[in-house]
Amino acid sequence: EAGVAQSPRYKIIEKRQSVAFWCNPISGHATLYWYQQILGQGPKLLIQFQNNGVVDDSQLPKDRFSAERLKGVDSTLKIQPAKLEDSAVYLCASSRRLADADTQYFGPGTRLTVL
Amino acid sequence: AQSVTQPDIHITVSEGASLELRCNYSYGATPYLFWYVQSPGQGLQLLLKYFSGDTLVQGIKGFEAEFKRSQSSFNLRKPSVHWSDAAEYFCAVGRNTGNQFYFGTGTSLTVIP
Repeated sequence: EAGVAQSPRYKIIEKRQSVAFWCNPISGHATLYWYQQILGQGPKLLIQFQNNGVVDDSQLPKDRFSAERLKGVDSTLKIQPAKLEDSAVYLCASSRRLADADTQYFGPGTRLTVL
Repeated sequence: AQSVTQPDIHITVSEGASLELRCNYSYGATPYLFWYVQSPGQGLQLLLKYFSGDTLVQGIKGFEAEFKRSQSSFNLRKPSVHWSDAAEYFCAVGRNTGNQFYFGTGTSLTVIP
């Protein structure tokens, strides 16, 4: 089966600009996650969707970050306006269902550099 | 609160030598534990997971991990390391509601010939 797809793979922008990342999960996976991975750190969950509904967005900086999964399949994460500290790899993951210990499958990530 | 500690930021081993990567967790209930590997420019790949039963878990690529409740540990081991094992390794604990993962800061593995 095809894995989690993400685009773009790399993005360089200047601070105060906006940027959007796209994720297409594994077919049939109901749960989708967006993580932020700052250099030297482990991934940190930003937002979690179950189908097209938000399960948890408690760690999403909502003044500048937004995410949607309108049709319950692919998802977009947006940053507007970007700050220097947003430089990171943004990982998308999916799992079959919202269940305990269900394996999360990760995409290759989008590396964002904010200048 | 859930947390994961990986005490070793970087480890260097010789090819063919054995490997043990340490992971300690903090969680109030029975944890779900995972090890992922991340190669440069790649996403995370699941090596193995523990959620119940036998405390010694076998994974892909010859890796295994042992859950020790008394020590709050879930160390990853491999008897003989290959050069292709050089990567970043992340331990994670999964909350038992909502399938949310909390990752450690990772251990970078270098393999020397």
